[in-house]
Amino acid sequence: GESVGLHLPTLSVQEGDNSIINCAYSNSASDYFIWYKQESGKGPQFIIDIRSNMDKRQGQRVTVLLNKTVKHLSLQIAATQPGDSAVYFCAALSGDYKLSFGAGTTVTVRA
Amino acid sequence: DAGVIQSPRHEVTEMGQEVTLRCKPISGHNSLFWYRQTMMRGLELLIYFNNNVPIDDSGMPEDRFSAKMPNASFSTLKIQPSEPRDSAVYFCASSTERQGRDGYTFGSGTRLTVV
Repeated sequence: GESVGLHLPTLSVQEGDNSIINCAYSNSASDYFIWYKQESGKGPQFIIDIRSNMDKRQGQRVTVLLNKTVKHLSLQIAATQPGDSAVYFCAALSGDYKLSFGAGTTVTVRA
Repeated sequence: DAGVIQSPRHEVTEMGQEVTLRCKPISGHNSLFWYRQTMMRGLELLIYFNNNVPIDDSGMPEDRFSAKMPNASFSTLKIQPSEPRDSAVYFCASSTERQGRDGYTFGSGTRLTVV
């Protein structure tokens, strides 16, 4: 099976700074990865995904990096804003449909 | 698109009572997932439907849990009888792909409290 773990359960960031959230996965057969953002009282919201044939993908203010050699995934948020405060989950998919989620990192943005 | 719609948003029930959670997936999505989220165990997949057929129910905790998908636009998760340890947030998610490689879309969840 797959186990997905986050390096830090919490992250406090100054508004305007960049945030980096890290994640490790165990199954080298995982070929699809997703970052989700979950705000209080809401479901996980898709942020960005990356397939294993890529090592970097950029979205609006977010970048996901994938290092398959060490089975490591990171999410970078540029110019962190108060609205970025949330719990962030990484998830990995190997084979069909069954996403394995990490435990989540709580990001708090300081004004 | 209204997204994945779940009802009710909150449910408080007494131990032993039957609980039914409801989900309407995004129109055109042919894969539907029920997840449970707790502080201790995080997000766990309970059951997966593809084209209204249950494909994998290995995550369903025990016989007290059952799920149905009578048509492409509706699914239910039932707990009978409910127990305090069933207290959690239950999410429904849908996807366009059988393999889920489109990111999934989650509903807002049902927070279940069993007292």
